Amino acid sequence: KQEVTQIPAALSVPEGENLVLNCSFTDSAIYNLQWFRQDPGKGLTSLLLIQSSQREQTSGRLNASLDKSSGRSTLYIAASQPGDSATYLCAALGGGNKLTFGTGTQLKVEL
Amino acid sequence: DAGVTQSPTHLIKTRGQQVTLRCSPKSGHDTVSWYQQALGQGPQFIFQYYEEEERQRGNFPDRFSGHQFPNYSSELNVNALLLGDSALYLCASSLAAVEGYTFGSGTRLTVV
Repeated sequence: KQEVTQIPAALSVPEGENLVLNCSFTDSAIYNLQWFRQDPGKGLTSLLLIQSSQREQTSGRLNASLDKSSGRSTLYIAASQPGDSATYLCAALGGGNKLTFGTGTQLKVEL
Repeated sequence: DAGVTQSPTHLIKTRGQQVTLRCSPKSGHDTVSWYQQALGQGPQFIFQYYEEEERQRGNFPDRFSGHQFPNYSSELNVNALLLGDSALYLCASSLAAVEGYTFGSGTRLTVV
C-alpha cells in the first residue's frame, strides 16, 4: 500500500526567500508524481506533473524533482511571495490509476 | 475551455439523510474520480468511473455509490449520512491518467 509523507507540515518564511518542500513515497512503482496547490476551502490546482521517466519539471518560479529510486520528490519555490501562501500537496499515481496524497505542507509567506 | 465543474458548492444535511453530488469533467476527459478530504488531511480516493462503470474503489463503505453518464458527467451518492461524512468532496477528471488529473473546486458537505 502506497504511503505519501510530506515534510514539513507547516512552514513560515519571509518574502523573497527560496524554499524547498519535501515529499516521500513508499512504493517506487509510480507512473507519475503531481504537485498541487490548495487555497483554504478550495479545490486543487495542478502545479507540476513529473512522469516516472523524468527527473524534473519547471514552471516559472517552481521546480519539481523526482527520484524514484529513493522515493522522493521536492518542490522548489524561488523568491517566495505572499501570494504563494497556501497548502501544497503532492500525489503519486500508482496502480489502478488512483492518486495517493500526502497530508500537505501549509506555507505562509510573510511580508 | 471549462475545467471540472462541481455542484453544489456547499450543502448541509442531517444525519441519516441521503445526498447526491454532481461533477462535469473537463472537456475531452472521459474518466472521473471522486475524493474525500477531511479537514487538515490529504484527499482520500473513493472511486473512479470510466465508460460508465466503476473501475476502481478505495476503502469506503457501500453507502458511497456513484454513476457516470454517457456524456462522462458523474454523480456521487452517499446514503445514511454520518457526522464523519462531513468533508470536502473533490471530483477529478482525466483522459489518460499519466497525463495528470484536473480537479474541481469541490463540494463542502456538512452533516449535522
